[in-house]
Amino acid sequence: AQSVTQLGSHVSVSEGALVLLRCNYSSSVPPYLFWYVQYPNQGLQLLLKYTTGATLVKGINGFEAEFKKSETSFHLTKPSAHMSDAAEYFCAVSEGGGSQGNLIFGKGTKLSVKP
Amino acid sequence: NAGVMQNPRHLVRRRGQEARLRCSPMKGHSHVYWYRQLPEEGLKFMVYLQKENIIDESGMPKERFSAEFPKEGPSILRIQQVVRGDSAAYFCASSPGNSGETQYFGPGTRLLVL
Repeated sequence: AQSVTQLGSHVSVSEGALVLLRCNYSSSVPPYLFWYVQYPNQGLQLLLKYTTGATLVKGINGFEAEFKKSETSFHLTKPSAHMSDAAEYFCAVSEGGGSQGNLIFGKGTKLSVKP
Repeated sequence: NAGVMQNPRHLVRRRGQEARLRCSPMKGHSHVYWYRQLPEEGLKFMVYLQKENIIDESGMPKERFSAEFPKEGPSILRIQQVVRGDSAAYFCASSPGNSGETQYFGPGTRLLVL
């Protein structure tokens, strides 16, 4: 069975500092991996996804993530945090290779950005 | 192209009443997914539907919950005889296919059971 673990339910960084949100997954088949962002009282917005090919994936708002199969990780990074990045971030996995696509989500990481 | 639409955005029900949540997928999308988000939790998959078919309902509670996606009209998630534990945010997502396609999420319906 697939699962996702997000280390750290809350992360706080200063404006301009590096953002690193951790995600580890388990999957018995090649995974598709996603990062979504959720602002208060809103739905989820896709930041980026990995399906196949290049393991470093660039997304919107300056975020990127690297798929590391050996570490079963898909950590999200951004070089310089902005106040507008404060939100909750969810990592998700689905089965790849044409399988059914319902997403398995981690519990989320709330990012706070200090001025 | 309008995004995924959900209504109502907020719904208040008393215990024992029925709740109906509606989801209109993005234009051209024939796959709909329903997820539930409890406080301080991530989203949990409930059901996956295509037009007129339930493909996977492995995440649906066995009783009181049902979902449909008719040939015409929105997808409906129906909760009968609601209880306080049903209070949550319910999100719908749609995609054009099911093979790694991006799921686009609606704004959610926040259900409060009194």
